[in-house]
Amino acid sequence: NAGVTQTPKFQVLKTGQSMTLQCAQDMNHEYMSWYRQDPGMGLRLIHYSVGAGITDQGEVPNGYNVSRSTTEDFPLRLLSAAPSQTSVYFCASSYSISAGIQYFGAGTRLSVL
Amino acid sequence: GQQLNQSPQSMFIQEGEDVSMNCTSSSIFNTWLWYKQDPGEGPVLLIALYKAGELTSNGRLTAQFGITRKDSFLNISASIPSDVGIYFCAGPINTGTASKLTFGTGTRLQVTL
Repeated sequence: NAGVTQTPKFQVLKTGQSMTLQCAQDMNHEYMSWYRQDPGMGLRLIHYSVGAGITDQGEVPNGYNVSRSTTEDFPLRLLSAAPSQTSVYFCASSYSISAGIQYFGAGTRLSVL
Repeated sequence: GQQLNQSPQSMFIQEGEDVSMNCTSSSIFNTWLWYKQDPGEGPVLLIALYKAGELTSNGRLTAQFGITRKDSFLNISASIPSDVGIYFCAGPINTGTASKLTFGTGTRLQVTL
């Protein structure tokens, strides 16, 4: 029962470096999304996808890129990391495009120095 | 963006006590979801509510969909140490082509022995 798998679990970057946060799900879910969690801010939606080849912006998309070439994978790219992107990132998937019930990965803890 | 306001922000209770928390919005929701996040993990769905006035239980947890459709409540009876975590309310916002899930800022629960 893998569910939603995120890698890496922890990452430290220097300002200006780029990296990709990986997310994979084995539940054949069409809907996938990325959130960031900051203290006192709850979970904020970065980008989401309703199916392969389709992505859209969420509440806080600046500084992040996504693509969805397969149903299973939804990577999140930071092209030039900034300290403001220090956060915990969660990927989630859902069997319904109405996004009512989502299943979350365990998160990636990112620090940008 | 759409805001869900949760209260209280944090609670410190003794084992065995009952807990009540709520979530309010300025807009109507057709679905209310309650998630729990254990320390170091991603959120996990506790209860989903789909009808105004609906009262749903999951073990010691009971949640209600407010009749105005602008609020929801979560109660935990006879708390135990494993209830520690952050509790989030969430609701889908229809974007036309899909829905996006918006989260409250969370209620952090601490249980002392």
